Amino acid sequence: EVQLLESGGGLVQPGGSLRLSCAASGFTFSSYAMNWVRQAPGKGLEWVSAISAGGGGTYYADSVKGRFSISRDNSKNTLYLQMNSLRVEDTAVYYCAKGDGRTVTTFADYWGQGTLVTVSS
Amino acid sequence: QSALTQPPSASGSPGQSVTISCTGTSSDVGGYNYVSWYQHHPGKAPKLMIYEVTKRPSGVPDRFSGSKSGNTASLTVSGLQAEDEADYYCSSYAGSNSLVFGGGTKLTVL
Repeated sequence: EVQLLESGGGLVQPGGSLRLSCAASGFTFSSYAMNWVRQAPGKGLEWVSAISAGGGGTYYADSVKGRFSISRDNSKNTLYLQMNSLRVEDTAVYYCAKGDGRTVTTFADYWGQGTLVTVSS
Repeated sequence: QSALTQPPSASGSPGQSVTISCTGTSSDVGGYNYVSWYQHHPGKAPKLMIYEVTKRPSGVPDRFSGSKSGNTASLTVSGLQAEDEADYYCSSYAGSNSLVFGGGTKLTVL
């Protein structure tokens, strides 16, 4: 059974940093691209970032480019999202989502339950 | 990367059919056969219901079907059941290794 478990969310002040983790199990983690998707309160889903299976390709939404950094440790089956220069508008539930291929994600077939990030003074 | 357009709400009685639309552009929905649909019960993990416009993952009832015409994709739920009440999101591959999602549709089973 595929399981994705996010952690690392919490309350942070504007301008601060936070690192999210996603522990994966139930599939060959190193064979699939992975994604972060977020949902702000009362809003829809927003794709944030993706990383290829080997970690050599990283991709970002314009809204987070230059501030967020995605990475993975295939030896630990774990995905990360380093979030710097956080803004109030980054407040959201952040979901880890498994992609359908090694390099390109055309759909996310499994999702975690999310971790809440609140940016507020 | 503008969000895809979905109606905010849809409803139907048990046993009826309901269709949810998802409108994008030629750079996403219209440009690729990579439209997917997700069911989301608040507080839970989103669930993939349809991928590549019309395909259903194993375990998804055949009451759920997808289609696409031009820049608009649709999800149809036939034989509505109480457990179908949820938020539904469409998504499309948008090129350059990115995805774009819709704003979501709240489906109410009357």
